[in-house]
Amino acid sequence: ELKVEQNPLFLSMQEGKNYTIYCNYSTTSDRLYWYRQDPGKSLESLFVLLSNGAVKQEGRLMASLDTKARLSTLHITAAVHDLSATYFCAVEETSGSRLTFGEGTQLTVNP
Amino acid sequence: DVKVTQSSRYLVKRTGEKVFLECVQDMDHENMFWYRQDPGLGLRLIYFSYDVKMKEKGDIPEGYSVSREKKERFSLILESASTNQTSMYLCATGWAGGFGTEAFFGQGTRLTVV
Repeated sequence: ELKVEQNPLFLSMQEGKNYTIYCNYSTTSDRLYWYRQDPGKSLESLFVLLSNGAVKQEGRLMASLDTKARLSTLHITAAVHDLSATYFCAVEETSGSRLTFGEGTQLTVNP
Repeated sequence: DVKVTQSSRYLVKRTGEKVFLECVQDMDHENMFWYRQDPGLGLRLIYFSYDVKMKEKGDIPEGYSVSREKKERFSLILESASTNQTSMYLCATGWAGGFGTEAFFGQGTRLTVV
């Protein structure tokens, strides 16, 4: 059974600081996704990582995938308040198209 | 833009009622999914479907069933609602196989069972 674990689950940081969210998973996969969720809203796709060593960047967020370590990171550079949200990683099982999600990381960026 | 539309944003139902949650997509996606989201547990897969009339159980199918009679519509059915099914329900759709499945999500239905 595929397990996906994120850490930290809660992250409070100051504007302008850098931080990394980690996503570990338990079985072989080379397809990983990052989503953002604002309170009361649905999930918004951020990044799709489809191979070992994949790196994607959008604004202050950068995601990477290391399939050998079964690890993805979401790096936040010079955080701003607008980045406050819950971030989920999700892993696609190689045997099919279902996605298994991590617990989510609730990020709060303080002025 | 992909549009995934769930029939209700908020629902309040009584224990024992039969509840239908509807999801409609307009992008001809093969795959459709129903998840429930609970604090501290992330999203958990209830059922998914790769094609019309095809369905597969996810991680927590107990107490739920699904129907997919048309490609664009995927329904989640709570046969006899219970209070432990109070949750946020999210429908998602995506392309089949190939270079990965990017799931697109509906706006969610917050169901309260009293």
